Amino acid sequence: DAKTTQPTSMDCAEGRAANLPCNHSTISGNEYVYWYRQIHSQGPQYIIHGLKNNETNEMASLIITEDRKSSTLILPHATLRDTAVYYCIGHPGETSGSRLTFGEGTQLTVNP
Amino acid sequence: DAGVIQSPRHEVTEMGQEVTLRCKPISGHNSLFWYRQTMMRGLELLIYFNNNVPIDDSGMPEDRFSAKMPNASFSTLKIQPSEPRDSAVYFCASSRGGATYNEQFFGPGTRLTVL
Repeated sequence: DAKTTQPTSMDCAEGRAANLPCNHSTISGNEYVYWYRQIHSQGPQYIIHGLKNNETNEMASLIITEDRKSSTLILPHATLRDTAVYYCIGHPGETSGSRLTFGEGTQLTVNP
Repeated sequence: DAGVIQSPRHEVTEMGQEVTLRCKPISGHNSLFWYRQTMMRGLELLIYFNNNVPIDDSGMPEDRFSAKMPNASFSTLKIQPSEPRDSAVYFCASSRGGATYNEQFFGPGTRLTVL
């Protein structure tokens, strides 16, 4: 899996957009960018993934730069429940049944 | 759907004792993963199974650790003998075979304390 770099921590005001960056300059052509998050004392939870195009689902949006060396996860209207550690993972292929390598992630704190 | 079920949720044992952690994956999922999380080392993959067959056990720390998946609905992770450095939260996750993306569903974890 590609090495990813994320800020250790970020803060965001409740109701505002949270923009979480991730650098993955060594990502290869067949590696997708996955985002998971881990709320305190719970197991990680899948958020979104993408290859080249921007993606959006009910949880978040993923913006991938054209050169694919970095991406940004956007939570459009952060709530207190979004306080969690967010992991950006470069992973080959799109199929299930293979390992994911979690780094240290970004601790996002949403403040009232 | 009940999600991934792990038991026990908490385990406190003394050094040298055998510990068995249990996991029931989501019905219909054919991949199962065991992770360990500590403050020092973060979230590490220990082993994973596809269709009940171990695929990658390179993360298993040493011979004291063993994992089995006798059928599609049950897996165990055993530590014998346990040591204080095994204290961690152990997560089990499962994913659906044939899915077009790698979404793993995690259980609530087992918090293990070895005294």
